[in-house]
Amino acid sequence: EAGVTQFPSHSVIEKGQTVTLRCDPISGHDNLYWYRRVMGKEIKFLLHFVKESKQDESGMPNNRFLAERTGGTYSTLKVQPAELEDSGVYFCASSPAGYNSPLHFGNGTRLTVT
Amino acid sequence: QKEVEQDPGPLSVPEGAIVSLNCTYSNSAFQYFMWYRQYSRKGPELLMYTYSSGNKEDGRFTAQVDKSSKYISLFIRDSQPSDSATYLCAMSERFTGTYKYIFGTGTRLKVLA
Repeated sequence: EAGVTQFPSHSVIEKGQTVTLRCDPISGHDNLYWYRRVMGKEIKFLLHFVKESKQDESGMPNNRFLAERTGGTYSTLKVQPAELEDSGVYFCASSPAGYNSPLHFGNGTRLTVT
Repeated sequence: QKEVEQDPGPLSVPEGAIVSLNCTYSNSAFQYFMWYRQYSRKGPELLMYTYSSGNKEDGRFTAQVDKSSKYISLFIRDSQPSDSATYLCAMSERFTGTYKYIFGTGTRLKVLA
């Protein structure tokens, strides 16, 4: 079984540019999450999809961040325009439908905004 | 005050030692407790998952939860150099439609050969 796949693995952009991160969850997983770790801090929740619907986006920092999950399969997270404080590692995680299933994480996308 | 506190380490131990990693938390609503292992430049890898007080064992790993003290532990027996990684505790409340994990900052472990 393929795990959660994220790309790119690393992205370096200038302040003001746009970046789109992609996540392919484990096949058949209805739940998809985005988390972020900024330097020196703990991993923090951004948002949760159930299939194509946003279940909880309370962790999204501001309206420069836009997440989508078309057709309930892969998801994208767009940052537009990027700011210096957006630098960090963005993780995607997925889990099967229902509850009592822990999250499986991808290897993350390391975003550097210069 | 953070909801989850975890000593960042680093923690260095000789090969074969028993390792004890700990987290404390303040939110009594946390019901689910996870331990993840993260190697450099990789994502968190699930090690242990439990939702009850007491011990849960899996090979060389034992997870312990004490809800009355709001304290969880991960024990690694016969530690190996390959166990060198960052260990993250994570917790979530009873499922209410979303699993919003709250993570500790992680403890860096180095097992010396």
